[in-house]
Amino acid sequence: QAVLTQPASLSASPGASASLTCTLRSGINVGTYRIYWYQQKPGSPPQWLLRYKSDSDKLQGSGVPSRFSGSKDASANAGILLISGLQSEDEADYYCKIWHSSAWVFGGGTKLTVL
Amino acid sequence: EVQLVESGGGLVQPGGSLRLSCAASGFTFSNYNMNWVRQAPGKGLEWVSYISSSSTTIYYADSVKGRFTISRDNAKNSLYLQMNSLRAEDTAVYYCAREPGGFDIWGQGTMVTVSS
Repeated sequence: QAVLTQPASLSASPGASASLTCTLRSGINVGTYRIYWYQQKPGSPPQWLLRYKSDSDKLQGSGVPSRFSGSKDASANAGILLISGLQSEDEADYYCKIWHSSAWVFGGGTKLTVL
Repeated sequence: EVQLVESGGGLVQPGGSLRLSCAASGFTFSNYNMNWVRQAPGKGLEWVSYISSSSTTIYYADSVKGRFTISRDNAKNSLYLQMNSLRAEDTAVYYCAREPGGFDIWGQGTMVTVSS
């Protein structure tokens, strides 16, 4: 079982909100991790969006709009990237990442379609 | 302008070697930890290796351990990845990335193709 699991795809409408999940493997407690989120558009390197561990331990990437925010669902053992007020330019691949067992681990990515 | 520029990619036969370089500019390179991340064609991101600012701490992904070596030269503002015993599954775009926790600056990547 992968350390981080993300749904392969998600669709949402312009102006709506999208909630992208990053589920940690059973036995790995989401509460103890800082979760990093990245956006990648075709042909470009990833861009760091934000880091979230708790409301008192979070950091927005430079220039990243506030409509991108992080949270956690402890009951689901998952990190969440919430994108509000979806725009066509938000269509991209999104990756989560944690530091686990002396290694950076990326999730498999979610392709967000805005239509 | 803060910038990372990778070079050294290309076509190499299985079992061969390649050395990637990453030139940093616009910031104090010696203050930052650095990473290599790769992305196979049409696939997701895979972290490869980490090196601390003073080279005292190094980590590798299990998939490259024993075959790849990360290093840096702070005097030359450069990061390196020596890749030996290359396999077809190492085919990917290789990115260098600056790390203050989040990988906040990425290069454009250099393509490595392992094929006979």
